[in-house]
Amino acid sequence: DTEVTQTPKHLVMGMTNKKSLKCEQHMGHRAMYWYKQKAKKPPELMFVYSYEKLSINESVPSRFSPECPNSSLLNLHLHALQPEDSALYLCASSQARTVSTDTQYFGPGTRLTVL
Amino acid sequence: AQSVTQPDIHITVSEGASLELRCNYSYGATPYLFWYVQSPGQGLQLLLKYFSGDTLVQGIKGFEAEFKRSQSSFNLRKPSVHWSDAAEYFCAVGPYGGSQGNLIFGKGTKLSVKP
Repeated sequence: DTEVTQTPKHLVMGMTNKKSLKCEQHMGHRAMYWYKQKAKKPPELMFVYSYEKLSINESVPSRFSPECPNSSLLNLHLHALQPEDSALYLCASSQARTVSTDTQYFGPGTRLTVL
Repeated sequence: AQSVTQPDIHITVSEGASLELRCNYSYGATPYLFWYVQSPGQGLQLLLKYFSGDTLVQGIKGFEAEFKRSQSSFNLRKPSVHWSDAAEYFCAVGPYGGSQGNLIFGKGTKLSVKP
């Protein structure tokens, strides 16, 4: 099973709201990723967690706050977002970034609209 | 610099016709190559990957891809396209051998299928 689940599927929020996106995998993967994807563009890497530790933050604004409470879960906390943050947010997981054949598996995404 | 080029932004083929989507990469080390497919509003699904060995790799949904080192290419093919194949296709290159690099995506090719 190569399933990554994400909730919610859709989210509409105002600029003053606080919300969270959730991602879960039960494949025993030890690396998890957040990507942002705007329409007609490829995914852009935001964060990477490796063995539950943040290993990469691609200069993402602090209004996005990732959290990895355990090896199966990844959250993205959102606060004071801007309309330009509206996008599809994709979660991915992979076995481990030290594995030579590491392959990322993606979830279905959360479609976020910021009003 | 590492990069992936998908020269065709949009391709239209008739149902039942053959398909080839082009991908060229520039990568200093041995590449690890992927093709992902994304239906509208959905996450990315892994079609196939090339790690090493036989340069012709088979994937899901009847797709195959051929790695040609001399041409720095990893083109995706399908002998007979189905209407359900209409989607966005992304080629990506990743680091081989457990190094800590990230996936690099091409800009994608949108496939439309005529009845």
